[in-house]
Amino acid sequence: GENVEQHPSTLSVQEGDSAVIKCTYSDSASNYFPWYKQELGKRPQLIIDIRSNVGEKKDQRIAVTLNKTAKHFSLHITETQPEDSAVYFCAAPHTGGFKTIFGAGTRLFVKA
Amino acid sequence: GAGVSQSPSNKVTEKGKDVELRCDPISGHTALYWYRQSLGQGLEFLIYFQGNSAPDKSGLPSDRFSAERTGGSVSTLTIQRTQQEDSAVYLCASSPKANTEAFFGQGTRLTVV
Repeated sequence: GENVEQHPSTLSVQEGDSAVIKCTYSDSASNYFPWYKQELGKRPQLIIDIRSNVGEKKDQRIAVTLNKTAKHFSLHITETQPEDSAVYFCAAPHTGGFKTIFGAGTRLFVKA
Repeated sequence: GAGVSQSPSNKVTEKGKDVELRCDPISGHTALYWYRQSLGQGLEFLIYFQGNSAPDKSGLPSDRFSAERTGGSVSTLTIQRTQQEDSAVYLCASSPKANTEAFFGQGTRLTVV
């Protein structure tokens, strides 16, 4: 079936610590894996994405890793800051690589 | 340039009434998505349009929901005979093409009373 599983649902870390969010997908044809951040009361916005031809991508404090064999990908945030507090969604395309299905979201709290 | 625009921002309707939600995507974007987000919940896929292809309607929860996209641009999501469980934020997003960044509108908050 079409499914994107995301864990954990809630994550609380101390400022300066790292945070890791994991997702698994079911469609082996999926080839594009974005991560979105949604702050309270705002629209989701892309923070990083990765395509299936690479295993890792980094942008400052944010990195994403992809394991196509295991069909899972992870978001890593280092040196977390209070402004990183938000809900993070992973996503993957399904049905031949078209419609985008989102994970259930992870609510990240960064304590100062 | 202008982003994805949705109207209205808020809509309160009585149970049993029909509502229409509008989405103006970014010009030139061929992919358009509708999602539903209940309070504190995730993004539930509803429908996907790609160019002139037949839309993927597999996420529509019942036959009370329908959507169209005219001229490959503006999209309208229609909910007939609204129920209280339809209350949610309806988000529209567009992409230049499939499997690229999705740009979201600000959403329409629908409340059915």
